[in-house]
Amino acid sequence: NAGVMQNPRHLVRRRGQEARLRCSPMKGHSHVYWYRQLPEEGLKFMVYLQKENIIDESGMPKERFSAEFPKEGPSILRIQQVVRGDSAAYFCASSQGLAEITGELFFGEGSRLTVL
Amino acid sequence: KQEVTQIPAALSVPEGENLVLNCSFTDSAIYNLQWFRQDPGKGLTSLLLIQSSQREQTSGRLNASLDKSSGRSTLYIAASQPGDSATYLCAVSNAGKSTFGDGTTLTVKP
Repeated sequence: NAGVMQNPRHLVRRRGQEARLRCSPMKGHSHVYWYRQLPEEGLKFMVYLQKENIIDESGMPKERFSAEFPKEGPSILRIQQVVRGDSAAYFCASSQGLAEITGELFFGEGSRLTVL
Repeated sequence: KQEVTQIPAALSVPEGENLVLNCSFTDSAIYNLQWFRQDPGKGLTSLLLIQSSQREQTSGRLNASLDKSSGRSTLYIAASQPGDSATYLCAVSNAGKSTFGDGTTLTVKP
């Protein structure tokens, strides 16, 4: 399967726990994007990463949220001390290059976080 | 700040009808526009990508147009089928960040 792989597909956490969401981009893609979809709302940009670099994190909440894309391994979106308002579907997308070169985004199936 | 609006929010049509979904955006300085389909509880499936220098793209029964100067795109679906029922999202991209509309939820009745 050469698609964008996200895991876990479903994650349940209690308030105050940590959530880690993983994303492996499509083969050959070096650009990763994270989006959040709150219930009954549209997709909102969170962060754009290349290998070992955060390019744009303008959509990330200032506290508790962090993202990385290490040289080896998947991209990780980490949410510390989760609260009920973090319950959402988190989608990862990848692309081959910058928007002006190729730009087509390919999405994973998403990770659905439920905070009890 | 880029804003993307999709009209209508919901649409219900009988099978076989041709239909048009609309997308408008406020900042014409985009690199590309992409249409997606999202089924309930699923991820997004890319339908068509239009680069900023292009005017339209076609794939099967789908045709998407782009008028960058007026900030508009349309997705035309010919001979709709029940399997086309889904939410359709448009997204405009600038320097790596894509801004999404809230989508049009389409129901095609048999």
